[in-house]
Amino acid sequence: NAGVTQTPKFQVLKTGQSMTLQCAQDMNHNSMYWYRQDPGMGLRLIYYSASEGTTDKGEVPNGYNVSRLNKREFSLRLESAAPSQTSVYFCASSDPIRTQYFGPGTRLTVL
Amino acid sequence: ILNVEQSPQSLHVQEGDSTNFTCSFPSSNFYALHWYRWETAKSPEALFVMTLNGDEKKKGRISATLNTKEGYSYLYIKGSQPEDSATYLCAFLRSNDYKLSFGAGTTVTVRA
Repeated sequence: NAGVTQTPKFQVLKTGQSMTLQCAQDMNHNSMYWYRQDPGMGLRLIYYSASEGTTDKGEVPNGYNVSRLNKREFSLRLESAAPSQTSVYFCASSDPIRTQYFGPGTRLTVL
Repeated sequence: ILNVEQSPQSLHVQEGDSTNFTCSFPSSNFYALHWYRWETAKSPEALFVMTLNGDEKKKGRISATLNTKEGYSYLYIKGSQPEDSATYLCAFLRSNDYKLSFGAGTTVTVRA
């Protein structure tokens, strides 16, 4: 089992460019999440999907959109990247008691 | 936004010494408290999921206790080793909507 996989691992964007971060899990989990991690702020939830076909906003959703393509895949899109979105992004899936299984992270820099 | 606080933010421990640190969370709408270990350049990994007041969990030299009535959990590391160096995150899962909120973490550095 690969667990949770994310692509790309690194990305540099210019302000205003768009991109999609891909995430997939092979643990048959219903719930999936996108977090961002910034120094001194821990992990902040951007969006989550409790099940296939549903998505909900988390703590910091502005500037992002998500798609739960199927049970395995949950993508995060930045339509018009801003320097404030420079961060490390983690995708996660969870078991029924919400234990989070994290992907390896995507380090994004917006210039 | 839930108030999940961890203290201290960082600590340095001599190899062989024991240490502990705190996670505080709201005492209402409690469902579970998670602890994660996050090594540099890796992803967070689950250590414990605690659900009952008075719960104690242990994994090797690391253990945790839970007090849901007063809203705190302690993580203990006994006989710290350099490989224990990591950031330890706690996360509060609330019962009304099953949302998980993370603390900012305690970064532990063990000096040989």
